[in-house]
Amino acid sequence: QQQVKQSPQSLIVQKGGISIINCAYENTAFDYFPWYQQFPGKGPALLIAIRPDVSEKKEGRFTISFNKSAKQFSLHIMDSQPGDSATYFCAASRGATNKLIFGTGTLLAVQP
Amino acid sequence: DVKVTQSSRYLVKRTGEKVFLECVQDMDHENMFWYRQDPGLGLRLIYFSYDVKMKEKGDIPEGYSVSREKKERFSLILESASTNQTSMYLCASSRLVPPLHFGNGTRLTVT
Repeated sequence: QQQVKQSPQSLIVQKGGISIINCAYENTAFDYFPWYQQFPGKGPALLIAIRPDVSEKKEGRFTISFNKSAKQFSLHIMDSQPGDSATYFCAASRGATNKLIFGTGTLLAVQP
Repeated sequence: DVKVTQSSRYLVKRTGEKVFLECVQDMDHENMFWYRQDPGLGLRLIYFSYDVKMKEKGDIPEGYSVSREKKERFSLILESASTNQTSMYLCASSRLVPPLHFGNGTRLTVT
């Protein structure tokens, strides 16, 4: 019940295309759903996050879509750029402890 | 900008050695975390600390211990390193609310 399942494991997208990464969870007590972006040699950094009281959050080219009834959330990267090539992790947590449960990661490659 | 500094970028140790991984944050954050990152497994929480001298086990604490004697410093200790502890170790810190701020990691190889 603590797992966060992430797919796909890897993704290749053409420049200008839309990248979509999906995550599913089981614990209905989770109330914070962030996405982290990690470049080679660096630690993960927060990209965008959502709480379950909204169904969508957009920041620039990045959008989180949240489906509470299906217990799923996804990251959409519009107009994908080669600079977006990185590993993306979804995560979830409950309450104020900040104990994030991470997905297994998606390696995104955006081809020029 | 928050800075989380991990003392070593690469570390090579022998089986059975006692290993210390050090992490320092400069933002007076209450929470500190140690995660382990492995391909196909994502990031898994080893231990976290919500205050000086306070700690809680994460999902994979076996074979590890931690120490937090000062607010800014959180150490991960491998009491007797084993080859299955070869991995990337990530330290993070946060206030009582998100987000987590990560260091750049220590890649540990146990031979």
